[in-house]
Amino acid sequence: ETGVTQSPTHLIKTRGQQVTLRCSSQSGHNTVSWYQQALGQGPQFIFQYYREEENGRGNFPPRFSGLQFPNYSSELNVNALELDDSALYLCASSLPWAAGYGYTFGSGTRLTVV
Amino acid sequence: GENVEQHPSTLSVQEGDSAVIKCTYSDSASNYFPWYKQELGKRPQLIIDIRSNVGEKKDQRIAVTLNKTAKHFSLHITETQPEDSAVYFCAAGDKLVFGAGTILRVKS
Repeated sequence: ETGVTQSPTHLIKTRGQQVTLRCSSQSGHNTVSWYQQALGQGPQFIFQYYREEENGRGNFPPRFSGLQFPNYSSELNVNALELDDSALYLCASSLPWAAGYGYTFGSGTRLTVV
Repeated sequence: GENVEQHPSTLSVQEGDSAVIKCTYSDSASNYFPWYKQELGKRPQLIIDIRSNVGEKKDQRIAVTLNKTAKHFSLHITETQPEDSAVYFCAAGDKLVFGAGTILRVKS
């Protein structure tokens, strides 16, 4: 078991609704990144949090927002859901980047927007 | 920003043969290049990574080579086995910009 856990595993929402996805990073990992993986595609970087501050953002609109908590767990919030938001959402955590460690992924949350 | 291209999109090999997957990247400032294996319905798993101060890294049947001048890196799998069948993704940079993936099928 990698130690990165995500909840829920599956979720169905209606267009226009809001959703919150959660990620518990591996113990001691203070860097968390979120990715969107559409079917048949590679993961797309949404944003990264380091010590509770946003540390980089990909090409996603402001309705995608996030938080990181003092225990380094994280949330991804998506407002005004669109059909194209249907995807697997992955979080990945890492030890301090300067230490030279790579990212460990969680199992993801499968979001379906109808 | 960084852009990563990955080739081929699908690759079929006979069991025991070698497989090579290639990626190019655009941002010369990128200095971290991991490879992930993703089986159907599962999370991406890191199989090997390389940083820009190293040209080659090997771990048993898997190796990665990096050419910083040409901005490309490759994954080499030797003595392929049916359990190597999966989707492989390359990525570049500390925020991980991914390639589109390669479906590897190992025929027994």
